[in-house]
Amino acid sequence: KQEVTQIPAALSVPEGENLVLNCSFTDSAIYNLQWFRQDPGKGLTSLLLIQSSQREQTSGRLNASLDKSSGRSTLYIAASQPGDSATYLCAVSLISGGYNKLIFGAGTRLAVHP
Amino acid sequence: NAGVTQTPKFRVLKTGQSMTLLCAQDMNHEYMYWYRQDPGMGLRLIHYSVGEGTTAKGEVPDGYNVSRLKKQNFLLGLESAAPSQTSVYFCASTNYRNTEAFFGQGTRLTVV
Repeated sequence: KQEVTQIPAALSVPEGENLVLNCSFTDSAIYNLQWFRQDPGKGLTSLLLIQSSQREQTSGRLNASLDKSSGRSTLYIAASQPGDSATYLCAVSLISGGYNKLIFGAGTRLAVHP
Repeated sequence: NAGVTQTPKFRVLKTGQSMTLLCAQDMNHEYMYWYRQDPGMGLRLIHYSVGEGTTAKGEVPDGYNVSRLKKQNFLLGLESAAPSQTSVYFCASTNYRNTEAFFGQGTRLTVV
């Protein structure tokens, strides 16, 4: 059974720091991995999608890497800002029971203080 | 760019009442999903659809029904609401297997 774990569960950093969020999964037979951002009381916003054949994706100050063989992904946020404060979720996509199944981690709650 | 739209955004129900949550997507996506999000439980799949006219059960389907009569719409029904169904419900859509998933803004449902 695929399980997705995110470490740490919560993180508080001063503005300007570079930080790394971790995501691990138990089954390497995935189609892709997606990082989402969720603001309090809001929906999920897709940040980055990494296909299983890719090693990393970049968007602005965000960089996500994927190591399928070790079952790990990291989300790197450069020069963090208070506006980055949110919960970050990773999800792996795989075929299970005949459908494209997204399995989520519990998230990392990030607080960036001025 | 509407993307995925959920209706309503908030609702309070009394135990035993019924309601339908509507999800609409304008991206011509084949796959649509209903999730619920609860504190400490993460996102759990209720039902999903791989195309118009198809539906299937996810991880926590009991107490819910769904319909996909049109490709762009996915309806989630609660026939007899229970306090355990108090949650935030999210709809999502994606196309085939390797593409990005898009989520609606959620429906916050309270059953009293």
